[in-house]
Amino acid sequence: GQNIDQPTEMTATEGAIVQINCTYQTSGFNGLFWYQQHAGEAPTFLSYNVLDGLEEKGRFSSFLSRSKGYSYLLLKELQMKDSASYLCAVRGVYSGAGSYQLTFGKGTKLSVIP
Amino acid sequence: ETGVTQSPTHLIKTRGQQVTLRCSSQSGHNTVSWYQQALGQGPQFIFQYYREEENGRGNFPPRFSGLQFPNYSSELNVNALELDDSALYLCASSLEGSPLHFGNGTRLTVT
Repeated sequence: GQNIDQPTEMTATEGAIVQINCTYQTSGFNGLFWYQQHAGEAPTFLSYNVLDGLEEKGRFSSFLSRSKGYSYLLLKELQMKDSASYLCAVRGVYSGAGSYQLTFGKGTKLSVIP
Repeated sequence: ETGVTQSPTHLIKTRGQQVTLRCSSQSGHNTVSWYQQALGQGPQFIFQYYREEENGRGNFPPRFSGLQFPNYSSELNVNALELDDSALYLCASSLEGSPLHFGNGTRLTVT
């Protein structure tokens, strides 16, 4: 089975840096994803890590340590529009024929304040 | 490039009724997945379709069923609706190995 933990809520100030942590315990691992979801909208893909290390994409970076079952999403130069839920998701073992199942955490609601 | 579209946007049903939700996948994507997202929770995997066959299923009862059509669009059917089925139903499409692209979802309320 899969178990994914992330903080429920976080608050940060506009212009600051925030780190959202995610820990996971899985029976198989084939990648970790971060999605952003604004209230009432679809989740949108932010980043993907399958190997250990840091992936940087503009103001967003994501880190993975497979041995520790740990990832974080780093958001720099926070803007008000970054207020959203951030979902950590793990892809299990690829079972062939295009099978692609993600297990999501409950999400971290980030509030950016002036 | 057309994204994932879902219909209807909102739906209200009575306990015991049946519902069909529809999804058009993003152009070029051959895999469709359905997720249920309860309020304040992360999405939960219902099932996935690839080349018109179900090839993965989460922990949902058989009254949740689906179809994928030759144009890769998909339907989610739920029979004998229960109050706990009230949720946001998300459809996502992908091309093998690529990240999921989600539609805006259908908000289902069961009364």
